[in-house]
Amino acid sequence: QVQLVESGGGVVQPGGSLRLSCTASGFTFTSSGMHWVRQAPGKGLEWVAFIRYDESHKFYADSVKGRITISRDNSKNTLYLQMNSLRPEDTAVYYCAPLGLGQSFDYWGQGTLVTVSS
Amino acid sequence: QTVVTQEASFSVSPGGTVTLTCGLSSGSVSPSYQPSWYQQTPGQAPRTLIYSTNTRSSGVPDRFSGSILGNKAALTITGAQADDESDYYCVLYMGTGIWVFGGGTKLTVL
Repeated sequence: QVQLVESGGGVVQPGGSLRLSCTASGFTFTSSGMHWVRQAPGKGLEWVAFIRYDESHKFYADSVKGRITISRDNSKNTLYLQMNSLRPEDTAVYYCAPLGLGQSFDYWGQGTLVTVSS
Repeated sequence: QTVVTQEASFSVSPGGTVTLTCGLSSGSVSPSYQPSWYQQTPGQAPRTLIYSTNTRSSGVPDRFSGSILGNKAALTITGAQADDESDYYCVLYMGTGIWVFGGGTKLTVL
């Protein structure tokens, strides 16, 4: 079955950096576009970034553009999110999800919590 | 900036029917926005319910259905059950690689 395991979250000071990972199994990662979605504590879901299966295109929400980079290593079935210049408002659970049919979010991992605080 | 709108909260009686909507701050939702719907209970990851306006994801009961009603996407739950009490999110694909979630609807079954 599909498994998505996010990792790399933790506590970081404002202005700091963090790299999140998402290890995927149970589906053909190498031919799947992948998303990052986040959810601040007590708030709704927010789309963060998308990467095509071949890294040919990457897209970002305006709220993170210029500070966050999505990438992937298809040889390791792993998706990454490099987060720089972190702000308190980046505090959230970060989920990865493959692109599903009809531009949907197909499956969801359990997420990894990022806390930006001094 | 595009805002996707959802009711903040809704309540339904057990066995009743409820329709949640997903609109745009400016303009109408059409199938070209590929509306999809997700259910989330506190502390859990979201679960995909509906994609492409009205296609149920694998394993989703047929009491959940999606449609376009007027100028909005809609999620209808028929015969609501206690464990349908959750947060429901819609998301619209804006094209050019941008997705926007609605703020979510907290559904209470009582």
